[in-house]
Amino acid sequence: RKEVEQDPGPFNVPEGATVAFNCTYSNSASQSFFWYRQDCRKEPKLLMSVYSSGNEDGRFTAQLNRASQYISLLIRDSKLSDSATYLCVVNSVGGGADGLTFGKGTHLIIQP
Amino acid sequence: SAVISQKPSRDICQRGTSLTIQCQVDSQVTMMFWYRQQPGQSLTLIATANQGSEATYESGFVIDKFPISRPNLTFSTLTVSNMSPEDSSIYLCSAIFDRGLSYEQYFGPGTRLTVT
Repeated sequence: RKEVEQDPGPFNVPEGATVAFNCTYSNSASQSFFWYRQDCRKEPKLLMSVYSSGNEDGRFTAQLNRASQYISLLIRDSKLSDSATYLCVVNSVGGGADGLTFGKGTHLIIQP
Repeated sequence: SAVISQKPSRDICQRGTSLTIQCQVDSQVTMMFWYRQQPGQSLTLIATANQGSEATYESGFVIDKFPISRPNLTFSTLTVSNMSPEDSSIYLCSAIFDRGLSYEQYFGPGTRLTVT
C-alpha cells in the first residue's frame, strides 16, 4: 500500500458545484496533515493544515478521520480559479520535513 | 505566508555541465530543503540543507551529484553536477516556518531545468 494515496482524477466539476476528495495514508503514527494546491508549472502552495477537529477556511473544509486514516477536502461553490492539482501531505515523523510524504495529487477541473 | 525566491527560474544546459540554483528566504529559518518534481509526478525530497554542517541526503541522492551549501539561515544553494538529460526536472527550494503551535512549509517558485 502506498504511503499517501490520492485519486489522480481528473475531477470535472461544473462551476458552483461542491466537490470533495479524500486522501488515505498508511502510517497510523502520522501526526500532521496538510493540503497544498499546485497550479500548472507553479510551485505547491499551502492551502490549509488539517487539524483533528477539522477546519474551515471560507469555501474550503478539511477533515481528518484517524480511525479510517484519511483526510478530506471539500470545496463549496467551486470557482473556475479552483482548477488545480491538490496535494495531500502527511507528516509521519515528529516535526521535520524529512517525514513529509506527498501524494501525487488530485487534478480538479472546474468547468464553466 | 513567507517569501522564498529562487534563481534562475529556468535554464537549458548541456550534458556534462553543472548548474547552481540559489534559494533566498525572507526570514531566518531553521530548516531548508531541496526537492525535485518531474512532470506529472509527486515531489521527491533530495536533501535537507543544514546550516553549518553537511546536508542530509535522501536515499538515491549523493553529495557528489547534488552538492548543497547553507552558509546562513536565509540562503542555500543546490548544484546539479555533471548533468544528464535524466536530470531535467523542476527543482524546488522549501523552508519550514514555526507558527507556534504548528509549522508551515512553503516552497520557492522552482527552477525548471532542461538538459540537452
